[in-house]
Amino acid sequence: HSVLTQPPSASGTPGQRVTISCSGSSSNIGSNTVNWFQQLPGTAPKLLIYSSNQRPSGVPDRFSGSKSATSASLAISGLQSEDEADYYCATWDDSLNGPSVVFGGGTKLTVL
Amino acid sequence: QVLLQESGPGLVKPSETLSLTCTVSGGSISTYYWSWIRQPPGKGLEWIGYVYYSGSTNSNPSLKSRVTISLDTPKNQFSLELNSVTAADTAVYYCVRLDYGDPGFWYFDLWGRGTLVTVSS
Repeated sequence: HSVLTQPPSASGTPGQRVTISCSGSSSNIGSNTVNWFQQLPGTAPKLLIYSSNQRPSGVPDRFSGSKSATSASLAISGLQSEDEADYYCATWDDSLNGPSVVFGGGTKLTVL
Repeated sequence: QVLLQESGPGLVKPSETLSLTCTVSGGSISTYYWSWIRQPPGKGLEWIGYVYYSGSTNSNPSLKSRVTISLDTPKNQFSLELNSVTAADTAVYYCVRLDYGDPGFWYFDLWGRGTLVTVSS
C-alpha cells in the first residue's frame, strides 16, 4: 500500500499522448514538489521530472509534468516504443514522524 | 562524471544485519545528501533514508528503529546497516545522490546500478 496512488497500468500507440496520474494528500503533494522517474526493465530508475514540471538536461521535451492541489501528472507526447517502462512519482511527506520521501506504487506503460 | 557503486553481501540470514557500502567516484562526497532506496523483486520503490555530508541523518519512519546510515568521508563512501532482517527485506538496494536545496527544489539525480540482497537461511 503506497502513500501516493498511481494507476498500475497505462497504454498507448506510437505517436499518441498518454498521461499518468499520481494522487496524494495535503501532507505530501499538497505541500511539496514532485519527482517522476522512468525505470526501464532491469535498470535503475532515471530522473525524468523534478520540481513538478522541470526536466533535467537530456530528457526529451516529449515528457512534461504538472501539479494541481494534491495530485500530479506525467504526460508523454509522441509516444515511442522505447518509452515502454515503469514510471514512479515521489515527493516528501510531512508527517508527525518527520519529513520522509514517499513513492507511488508505479505505473507500467505499454506501447501497443 | 560522478558514479555510485554498491557493494556488500548478496545473501543475509534472517535476524542478522544487512550491511552495504556505496563508493562515490568522480566527485566528492563532501556535499549533497546521500540516500538508500530499495525495491523488492517485482514491486515498487521504497525510500530508506539519507545521510548529509555534515553527518546528520533521516530515515523512513517504518524502518527507523532498524536503520543506520553513515558517512566515511576519507574513503568517499557511505553505508547502510539494517538489522534484524526478515524475508521482507529482500530487495535490490540502490545508493542514490539527493540534491536538496531551497523549498521545492530536490531530486534524486544519480543512482547506482543496484545490488540484490536476499534474506534467507
